[in-house]
Order: sequence, then C-alpha cells, then structure tokens
Amino acid sequence: QLVLTQSPSTSASLGASVKLTCTLSSGHSNYAITWHQQQAEKGPRFLMKLNSDGSHNKGDGIPDRFSGSSSGAERYLTISSLQSEDEADYFCQTWDTGIWVFGGGTKLTVL
Amino acid sequence: EVQLVQSGAEVKEPGESLKISCKGSGYSFTTYWIGWVRQMPGKGLEWMGIIYPGDSDTRYSPSFQGQVTISADKSISTAYLQWGSLKASDTGMYYCASRIVGGSTVVFYWGQGTLVTVSS
Repeated sequence: QLVLTQSPSTSASLGASVKLTCTLSSGHSNYAITWHQQQAEKGPRFLMKLNSDGSHNKGDGIPDRFSGSSSGAERYLTISSLQSEDEADYFCQTWDTGIWVFGGGTKLTVL
Repeated sequence: EVQLVQSGAEVKEPGESLKISCKGSGYSFTTYWIGWVRQMPGKGLEWMGIIYPGDSDTRYSPSFQGQVTISADKSISTAYLQWGSLKASDTGMYYCASRIVGGSTVVFYWGQGTLVTVSS
C-alpha cells in the first residue's frame, strides 16, 4: 500500500536551515512526490515536484531558499535562511494509477 | 495563466444536497486529472477522488466511495463534487487540484477552496 509518512512537527530558528522528511512506504522508493506549503488560514501552495534521483522542478515564484533532495525512500525539503513567513504546514503528495496520496503533514514553527 | 476557480462558501442543514464546482482555465482541461481534497478543521489533506475530464473516468478513495459523487462537464471546463445527503461531519474545506505534466516536469495547481458548513 502506497503511504507517505511525515513527522508531525518541527521547529527551527529564524535565519537557520531546516530539513523536512517524507518517507515512502516499502516497495515505492522510486516514486516521485510533490511538496506543498500551507500557511495559516490559506490554501495549499505547490512548492516542487521531487524525483527519486533528487532532481526537481519548482512552482512559479518559489524562492531559491527551498530545495529538494532524495535518498532511497526518503524525500527531503530543505528550507534555508528561514523567515517568519515559512512558518506553515508542509505536505508531501504522490500518485499511482488512479490514486493520490497525501502525507499527514509537518507543522514547522519558526522560533 | 492556469487557474482553478471554485464556487463560494455554502451553509447547509443535515440531509440537504449540495454540488460545488471547480472551473479550470489556461490549460487543456480535458487532458489532466482533477482531484478533490478535503481538509477538516485543524487537520491534514485527505484525497477524495479524481476525474479525467476527457472521458469522465472517475476514481474514488475508499474512504469516500459512496459518500460523494465527482463529475465533470468538459464543455464548460468544470468539475463538480456533490453530496446527496449532507451530514454534520461533512463540514470542512474542499479543494480541487490538477496535476499538470509537461515532459519531465509536474506542476500542481490548487483551487482557492470552498468552505462547506453543515449545521442545524
């Protein structure tokens, strides 16, 4: 079964970097995912599509501070030079024939 | 510019029916799957189902099969999500989204969301 697992929450300081993780279920380590940001009281915003080899394409207007990488079944979103507006929920998403799957989301608090 | 524009907020009573919409523009509406996603207050994103507007092929999450109906009218580039008999537990924000593929790239576009409130 295709499942995405994310840690519920994390925190990091203003100006620092943070690396969020999304883990694909067993047997699905070659799947691409997408990352989305959802700030408080707003709708989701597409950040990037991230392939198993770490290559990625970002959405329009997404700053260079946001980058993606991969290792095995893990997909990472790294945010550098954290700003207050980066405080948000971050969701990963993937797909297979006829289905979409979302991770549970990680709430990022910027200290 | 790709846009998905959803219908406005709804307030309904339990047992009532409802159909909300999502109108696509700026891309080939019939070529890409459109999905519906629920977000209950304070919770994460739940995939409900997807539809291929080109031929109306529809797939549902097991959690939502039989609870909602997804449809599309390709002549007006609009997808729909409908309930036959609403429950209080259907209260939430509903988003449409489309995953548009261009070669090796994928871009996800989201509608602005439709808030559905079911209360007596």
